[in-house]
Amino acid sequence: DSGVTQTPKHLITATGQRVTLRCSPRSGDLSVYWYQQSLDQGLQFLIHYYNGEERAKGNILERFSAQQFPDLHSELNLSSLELGDSALYFCASSVDNHNEQFFGPGTRLTVL
Amino acid sequence: LAKTTQPVSMDSYEGQEVNITCSHNNIATNDYITWYQQFPSQGPRFIIQGYKTKVTNEVASLFIPADRKSSTLSLPRVSLSDTAVYYCLVGLNTGTASKLTFGTGTRLQVTL
Repeated sequence: DSGVTQTPKHLITATGQRVTLRCSPRSGDLSVYWYQQSLDQGLQFLIHYYNGEERAKGNILERFSAQQFPDLHSELNLSSLELGDSALYFCASSVDNHNEQFFGPGTRLTVL
Repeated sequence: LAKTTQPVSMDSYEGQEVNITCSHNNIATNDYITWYQQFPSQGPRFIIQGYKTKVTNEVASLFIPADRKSSTLSLPRVSLSDTAVYYCLVGLNTGTASKLTFGTGTRLQVTL
């Protein structure tokens, strides 16, 4: 158990819908990262937040957005979902920007 | 943005040393190199991190040549439980924004 929690574990929805994935980092960790893992794209970095502020953006679509709240939990919002958005979404946290990341168990999103 | 490539798969016998390479020709000056292990349906798990030369911990060693355009993860005396996918992650981990790039992943199969 990494100490990072993600909810829900599984999510099945339809094209065009909007979903919110939630991540609670390890206690004391200020950095939260979001990744997408699919068979064809591998592990892709989406976005990084540090203590509530966005620090870096990776291959995150405009239909996706994220935020980190004052209590340091983070949410990833995916809208206008397409079949290709079906993937495992991982959240990871670290103490700061310069340490190992601890990954959550992931949310498996299926878009039908 | 660093582009990272790894061999798709490797096979080893139990008890052997395994070396997995990652090529990151476009690595930036401040980028760190981190290796993760991933089992099916789980989030990646940190193995080791380095910036240059050699780093060793209780489970692995990481070799980084002077030009830093590649890195090698060395697993001594692998066991069946080391069968997993191994990823290198290249990116900046300081306060300045940067992107994180996962390698393509190497599937290691350990047999008796």
